[in-house]
Amino acid sequence: QKEVEQNSGPLSVPEGAIASLNCTYSDRGSQSFFWYRQYSGKSPELIMFIYSNGDKEDGRFTAQLNKASQYVSLLIRDSQPSDSATYLCAVGRGGADGLTFGKGTHLIIQP
Amino acid sequence: SQTIHQWPATLVQPVGSPLSLECTVEGTSNPNLYWYRQAAGRGLQLLFYSVGIGQISSEVPQNLSASRPQDRQFILSSKKLLLSDSGFYLCAWSRGSSGYLQETQYFGPGTRLLVL
Repeated sequence: QKEVEQNSGPLSVPEGAIASLNCTYSDRGSQSFFWYRQYSGKSPELIMFIYSNGDKEDGRFTAQLNKASQYVSLLIRDSQPSDSATYLCAVGRGGADGLTFGKGTHLIIQP
Repeated sequence: SQTIHQWPATLVQPVGSPLSLECTVEGTSNPNLYWYRQAAGRGLQLLFYSVGIGQISSEVPQNLSASRPQDRQFILSSKKLLLSDSGFYLCAWSRGSSGYLQETQYFGPGTRLLVL
């Protein structure tokens, strides 16, 4: 059974600091990895995706992937109060049959 | 640009009543379509996905069903709702192409369903 694990939090980070969110997955056949942000009462919105081992940067966000360790992370630099949300990690096998989501990490950025 | 719509936004239904939730996508053709449910304290659960008109794959056995009568329309139904059907129902789409692009999913605004 495919599983995606995240620490539910809450993870509290002071404004301006780096927030580090982690995710592990069980399916070694996983090919693609996604991070979504979900504000309370709203639907998830895509932040970024990563397919290859290493780092991928997009603005203040950096995704890191280590397939050998089955580990994905998201770094948020210069954290802002508007970054306070639940962050969902999702994993796919490279097909059209949907993604497996973790339960999310609740991030709180303290002003 | 692509837009995904869901309605209704909220719904309160009695146990045993029928259900019909609708999802439509604009600005793309032949998308892959998905229904997820997010229950309180639980993660996103994939319910159904569709790669084309009339093609439905079910991920979780339950009293729900899905249909895709048109290319960009996806409907979630139930004949008799259960209390456990309460939750946040999300429709998502991805590009109907080969390769990694078909996996990147974009979500609609969702329908919040409360079964009493």
